Amino acid sequence: DSGVTQTPKHLITATGQRVTLRCSPRSGDLSVYWYQQSLDQGLQFLIQYYNGEERAKGNILERFSAQQFPDLHSELNLSSLELGDSALYFCASSVSGTQGNTIYFGEGSWLTVV
Amino acid sequence: ELKVEQNPLFLSMQEGKNYTIYCNYSTTSDRLYWYRQDPGKSLESLFVLLSNGAVKQEGRLMASLDTKARLSTLHITAAVHDLSATYFCAVDKDGTGANSKLTFGKGITLSVRP
Repeated sequence: DSGVTQTPKHLITATGQRVTLRCSPRSGDLSVYWYQQSLDQGLQFLIQYYNGEERAKGNILERFSAQQFPDLHSELNLSSLELGDSALYFCASSVSGTQGNTIYFGEGSWLTVV
Repeated sequence: ELKVEQNPLFLSMQEGKNYTIYCNYSTTSDRLYWYRQDPGKSLESLFVLLSNGAVKQEGRLMASLDTKARLSTLHITAAVHDLSATYFCAVDKDGTGANSKLTFGKGITLSVRP
């Protein structure tokens, strides 16, 4: 158990809908990351937050947004969902978010869009 | 664009034998991560390599980093069934140097047979 908690574990929704994935980082970790894992794209970095502020952005679609709250938990919002958004979404956390920190991954949220 | 290549993508290993898998990357970086993933599960951190010549060992696994060759190797000693999983390497590269942004390879799936 990495200490990173993600909910829900599984989610099935229809195209065009909106979902919110939630993440609680490890105790003491200030940085949160979101990654998407799919068969065709592999593991892709989406976005990073540090202590409530956006730090780095990756291949995140405009239909997706995220935020980190004062209690350091984070949410990833996915809207206007398409079939191709079906994937495993990982949240990860690290102490400071700078290079060289160990990054711990949660169990992931399986999203199926039908 | 940073590219991370792992080869082979699949490796069938015989119990008790030694193997080496490789991770090449396309741009200068001093920081490389190895993760293990069991099917449908989270990513487990194995090693964080922080400098040229870094070598780390844990059990039957030993990882090393050659930043000049842009190459990391993961050596497996006397393979056992429990090592069957997918192994990802990831390069930690952000233009500012201030943030951690992992670019993953496609992963190598190892299968250990009796």
